[in-house]
Amino acid sequence: DAKTTQPPSMDCAEGRAANLPCNHSTISGNEYVYWYRQIHSQGPQYIIHGLKNNETNEMASLIITEDRKSSTLILPHATLRDTAVYYCIVRAAGGTSYGKLTFGQGTILTVHP
Amino acid sequence: DVKVTQSSRYLVKRTGEKVFLECVQDMDHENMFWYRQDPGLGLRLIYFSYDVKMKEKGDIPEGYSVSREKKERFSLILESASTNQTSMYLCASSLNDLILNTEAFFGQGTRLTVV
Repeated sequence: DAKTTQPPSMDCAEGRAANLPCNHSTISGNEYVYWYRQIHSQGPQYIIHGLKNNETNEMASLIITEDRKSSTLILPHATLRDTAVYYCIVRAAGGTSYGKLTFGQGTILTVHP
Repeated sequence: DVKVTQSSRYLVKRTGEKVFLECVQDMDHENMFWYRQDPGLGLRLIYFSYDVKMKEKGDIPEGYSVSREKKERFSLILESASTNQTSMYLCASSLNDLILNTEAFFGQGTRLTVV
């Protein structure tokens, strides 16, 4: 699976949009971009994933560049409860990966009042 | 809602003990995983299973074994616990995604301390 690079930490004011970047310059054509987050003392939680089109759900939006070498997770109106470690992961569907996720260090997002 | 349940939230064991960490999921998922999480090292995959009685080594299998006798249950076994196995252990499950790319669901974790 392709490696990802994320900033170690970011800050955001409550109510503002949080934009979390991720570089995945070696991504292959069949690899998806996934985002998970981990709130302190809990297991990671799935947020969103995409292949090449932008995606939106009730939690966030995912913007993937046209060359697919980077992406941005957008939390449109961050709240204090969004303070967490955010992980960007790329992986291929199926094959011998069997759904395996390889986690990097992630970005610690701190939302301030 | 998918539920992945780990049998204990906190566990304290002595060095040399055999330790069993249990994980149960209720969504008929084919894939199950065990990770450990340590400060500065992130989440690392220990073992995973894609079917009953099937298992594959992850990135750090040494000192661990697993058992999957039933589809819903995946056990992590520390044959002889050591202090360097003190960690947060996380179980996860997902559908077999040969056709459809799917997400993994995680349990709340078991914080194991070996003394």
